[in-house]
Amino acid sequence: GNSVTQMEGPVTLSEEAFLTINCTYTATGYPSLFWYVQYPGEGLQLLLKATKADDKGSNKGFEATYRKETTSFHLEKGSVQVSDSAVYFCALSDPSGSARQLTFGSGTQLTVLP
Amino acid sequence: ETGVTQTPRHLVMGMTNKKSLKCEQHLGHNAMYWYKQSAKKPLELMFVYNFKEQTENNSVPSRFSPECPNSSHLFLHLHTLQPEDSALYLCASSQERDIPRPLHFGNGTRLTVT
Repeated sequence: GNSVTQMEGPVTLSEEAFLTINCTYTATGYPSLFWYVQYPGEGLQLLLKATKADDKGSNKGFEATYRKETTSFHLEKGSVQVSDSAVYFCALSDPSGSARQLTFGSGTQLTVLP
Repeated sequence: ETGVTQTPRHLVMGMTNKKSLKCEQHLGHNAMYWYKQSAKKPLELMFVYNFKEQTENNSVPSRFSPECPNSSHLFLHLHTLQPEDSALYLCASSQERDIPRPLHFGNGTRLTVT
């Protein structure tokens, strides 16, 4: 079956540091890949997505590239801010795109210190 | 404003109580979901409703009973819960015609079972 593995947190960085959160997946076919973010006290929000190999999703300074050869979708940001402190979830959906087939990773807690 | 509103935000109940969680989406979506989020575990999909019809029940115990009277409203009726049911319960919606189909989440109900 499908699975998503994220780097374990928590991750603590200083403001303006470079961020990488690793995500690898196991899936049949060509899934779509997502990063969701959960700010304190809130539900999850879609951060970015990629639907095919070599696609790059980007939003709010975050980027992730769909790498089929390494089955990875690592999240990166060049300069983090305190407001980026949140939990980040990598997820994939099966090729049909049905949300009921969405598989989430266990989440990575990011804390950015001023 | 997320477009998906959940009430109450916090709920404390005893094991013999009966309570209900409510979710309302203002996005015109046709699919709604209940997820359970426990500490250090991946999100668990509980129920899926598509056009008011339940299409998924992921082996959820019968003490959780969903109800979807229309495409905009979703309830989760709770009775005789256990302490291990304490978690954040997230409602989400999606438009099943979009490919891929990102989820829009509410802010959740933090449930504590005493």
